Amino acid sequence: NAGVTQTPKFQVLKTGQSMTLQCAQDMNHEYMSWYRQDPGMGLRLIHYSVGAGITDQGEVPNGYNVSRSTTEDFPLRLLSAAPSQTSVYFCASRNTRNTEAFFGQGTRLTVV
Amino acid sequence: KQEVTQIPAALSVPEGENLVLNCSFTDSAIYNLQWFRQDPGKGLTSLLLIQSSQREQTSGRLNASLDKSSGRSTLYIAASQPGDSATYLCAVDSGGGADGLTFGKGTHLIIQP
Repeated sequence: NAGVTQTPKFQVLKTGQSMTLQCAQDMNHEYMSWYRQDPGMGLRLIHYSVGAGITDQGEVPNGYNVSRSTTEDFPLRLLSAAPSQTSVYFCASRNTRNTEAFFGQGTRLTVV
Repeated sequence: KQEVTQIPAALSVPEGENLVLNCSFTDSAIYNLQWFRQDPGKGLTSLLLIQSSQREQTSGRLNASLDKSSGRSTLYIAASQPGDSATYLCAVDSGGGADGLTFGKGTHLIIQP
């Protein structure tokens, strides 16, 4: 099993550019979520989904969009990148609310 | 709002020692608590999940306990090894309408050979 796969691993963007961070899981998990990890801040929830067609905002959703058209994929879109979005982004999935979460290897994003 | 605190922020011990990492949370109404390990530049690896109805979970040299009423969890590592060096993160699922974990800032552990 590949688990949770994130692409790309590294990305540099200019301010104002847009891009999509990809996340795919092959475990047929219903729950998927996006976090960002910043020094001194820990991991914070951006958006989450409890199934295909269902998404909702987390703690820090501004500047990001998500959609969930299939069970497997949960892309995160940056609409107009800002230096404050420089971070490491992690995608996670879990089967049900009370099972362990699996994380991808992360995408390190730098906005200049 | 749920807040998760991990103490200590950093810990360095000689190989072979037993050690305890602490995690506290402010709202005791939780679904579960999970301990993760993160190596530098890598993703998170799940170590143990404790559901709200459980008191502890064990996996190999790791033992995690949960005291919901006092808002505390501990991760016990027995006979530490240099390969245990990593950052250990505690995360709480607080339930409610939002699906997501609230993380502590982690304990950076170094095991000296």
